[in-house]
Amino acid sequence: EAGVAQSPRYKIIEKRQSVAFWCNPISGHATLYWYQQILGQGPKLLIQFQNNGVVDDSQLPKDRFSAERLKGVDSTLKIQPAKLEDSAVYLCASSLETSGGPNTQYFGPGTRLTVL
Amino acid sequence: AQSVTQLGSHVSVSEGALVLLRCNYSSSVPPYLFWYVQYPNQGLQLLLKYTTGATLVKGINGFEAEFKKSETSFHLTKPSAHMSDAAEYFCALNSGYSTLTFGKGTMLLVSP
Repeated sequence: EAGVAQSPRYKIIEKRQSVAFWCNPISGHATLYWYQQILGQGPKLLIQFQNNGVVDDSQLPKDRFSAERLKGVDSTLKIQPAKLEDSAVYLCASSLETSGGPNTQYFGPGTRLTVL
Repeated sequence: AQSVTQLGSHVSVSEGALVLLRCNYSSSVPPYLFWYVQYPNQGLQLLLKYTTGATLVKGINGFEAEFKKSETSFHLTKPSAHMSDAAEYFCALNSGYSTLTFGKGTMLLVSP
């Protein structure tokens, strides 16, 4: 079974530029998550999708971050414009459809973003 | 509000020694608890999880953790460390919803 795929693996941009990350979850997983992991910290949830609907985006900085999950499969996360403090690893995870229970989240390898 | 505290940002052990990584949590409802491991430049891999039932949970690679409600703890242990165990370990909490709250992580260093 293929795991969660993410691209690119690394990205370096100048501040105020825009950037997009792509995630392909495990086949059949209805729930998809984007996390931000700043160096020295644990992952922090940015947004959660169930199929193509948003379940939780309370910690997404909506003035600069956006995400979509077309057709309930692949997802893209965009930052426009980027700030220095956006330098982090962006992790995508997926799980089977949740019903409030502890479905295991499977993580991709992440995209390491450096903003100069 | 739910939270996870991992005591010690770095833990150093010798190969063959006991590994103990500490995790305490705060939750207003019965928690589900997880330990994940992250190797350099990789995503997080699930080691083990506690949902309900038996409080001693066994995971992959010889790791286990014990849920202690009275102490609000979920410490991770392994009897004998291997060099390949060197990685960062994250404790995470799910309080009845699908959202995970992670601790800040503990880097495990294993010396020969």
